Amino acid sequence: GQQVMQIPQYQHVQEGEDFTTYCNSSTTLSNIQWYKQRPGGHPVFLIQLVKSGEVKKQKRLTFQFGEAKKNSSLHITATQTTDVGTYFCAGLSNSGYALNFGKGTSLLVTP
Amino acid sequence: NAGVTQTPKFQVLKTGQSMTLQCAQDMNHEYMSWYRQDPGMGLRLIHYSVGAGITDQGEVPNGYNVSRSTTEDFPLRLLSAAPSQTSVYFCASSLGRGYRAFFGQGTRLTVV
Repeated sequence: GQQVMQIPQYQHVQEGEDFTTYCNSSTTLSNIQWYKQRPGGHPVFLIQLVKSGEVKKQKRLTFQFGEAKKNSSLHITATQTTDVGTYFCAGLSNSGYALNFGKGTSLLVTP
Repeated sequence: NAGVTQTPKFQVLKTGQSMTLQCAQDMNHEYMSWYRQDPGMGLRLIHYSVGAGITDQGEVPNGYNVSRSTTEDFPLRLLSAAPSQTSVYFCASSLGRGYRAFFGQGTRLTVV
């Protein structure tokens, strides 16, 4: 069945360094969504990518969707302590209805 | 606008007990889902619903039941709690297929 895999599982950076998390799917995705979960919190939607090769930016965050629509990345420039949390990518599950989440990348930022 | 509301926030059960985790949304969303989150495992889909009266199994449905009698409510029932069901449970809703999901605050369940 369709699986969404994320790497790395953990990343520890110094404040100001860049950070990237990668998401790969075993099948072509109709779209991909990214979520952020702060420690002790719930996942919060960040963005959705739909088109092949799409690139979207939100301030210091850059999201990319691969040409084959099977992979995606999230890049954070000059991390801040407020970026701490777990970042998840998600695609539609095999049923085509609910979301199938990757295991997430936990980001720790040290001042 | 309350969004997605889950109750209770915390719960401790003894092995073999049953309970219902409540989830309600006030956004008139058709799609609702239940996920469990365990360390290192991400969010795993338990059950989902695409509308009132329609439910289906996700990746890890064993030991859980759901029903959807109204658009607003999607309760998750643990039939006979086991320590392996110790987890954080999230309910989510969305407008429809492929739309963004809104999550509740979560229920932290411990089974002893």
